[in-house]
Amino acid sequence: DQQVKQNSPSLSVQEGRISILNCDYTNSMFDYFLWYKKYPAEGPTFLISISSIKDKNEDGRFTVFLNKSAKHLSLHIVPSQPGDSAVYFCAAPRPDRGSQGNLIFGKGTKLSVKP
Amino acid sequence: EPEVTQTPSHQVTQMGQEVILRCVPISNHLYFYWYRQILGQKVEFLVSFYNNEISEKSEIFDDQFSVERPDGSNFTLKIRSTKLEDSAMYFCATCQGGGIYNEQFFGPGTRLTVL
Repeated sequence: DQQVKQNSPSLSVQEGRISILNCDYTNSMFDYFLWYKKYPAEGPTFLISISSIKDKNEDGRFTVFLNKSAKHLSLHIVPSQPGDSAVYFCAAPRPDRGSQGNLIFGKGTKLSVKP
Repeated sequence: EPEVTQTPSHQVTQMGQEVILRCVPISNHLYFYWYRQILGQKVEFLVSFYNNEISEKSEIFDDQFSVERPDGSNFTLKIRSTKLEDSAMYFCATCQGGGIYNEQFFGPGTRLTVL
C-alpha cells in the first residue's frame, strides 16, 4: 500500500501567524518527500523536500519536519503571508527499485492567509 | 528562470475524438512525466519517459494513451479515442535526473474537457 494522505482539505490562518500543514503516509519504504505549492491555473511548484535520513529541513520561512515512527510530516510556514494562499501538496516518489521517481500525491490542503 | 510550457491551455473535444497534448520540457532535462488531476481528486501519475521510450506507466495509461517526443523538443501525450472520464487537468513534468531524489518541474497544465 503506497499512499500519501492529507486529511485537512483547508486551513485558514491570520497573516503573521504560523501555518502548519500535515501529511501522513502508509509505506515506511518512502525515502524522500516533497511539498509543492499550486496557485489556480498554474502547475505545482516545488517548495521544499526532505530525505528520510533527516528529521528537519529549513528554507527561509518554510520548514518541513519528518517523524518516521509516526509516518508523518508537516510543513510549517512562519510567518504566513497572504501570498502563501494556495493549495499545498505533499508528495513522495514511488520507492520501488528501478522507479524513475514517479510521484504519489496527497489530495492537497488549501491554505488561506487572511490579512 | 527556465520553465516547462504546455499547449493548449484548454482543449474541448467530443467523446471518441483524438487529442494531442503538447509539452516543451526545460532544455537540459532528460526525464519526462505526464500526470493528471480529475476535478476534486489527487494528482495521479500516468507515464514516465526517458531516452525515447516509456520507463514506467500506471494502470490508467492503457492502450488509448501514447507518448512520444517526435522532434526532440516537444513531448506529447495522445489520447486516441477520448472518453468522458478523461476530462481532467493534464500536467507535464520534467526532471534533469531520474530516480527519486530529483525535483520535478511542472508545466501549467492543459484542461481537457470531453463532451
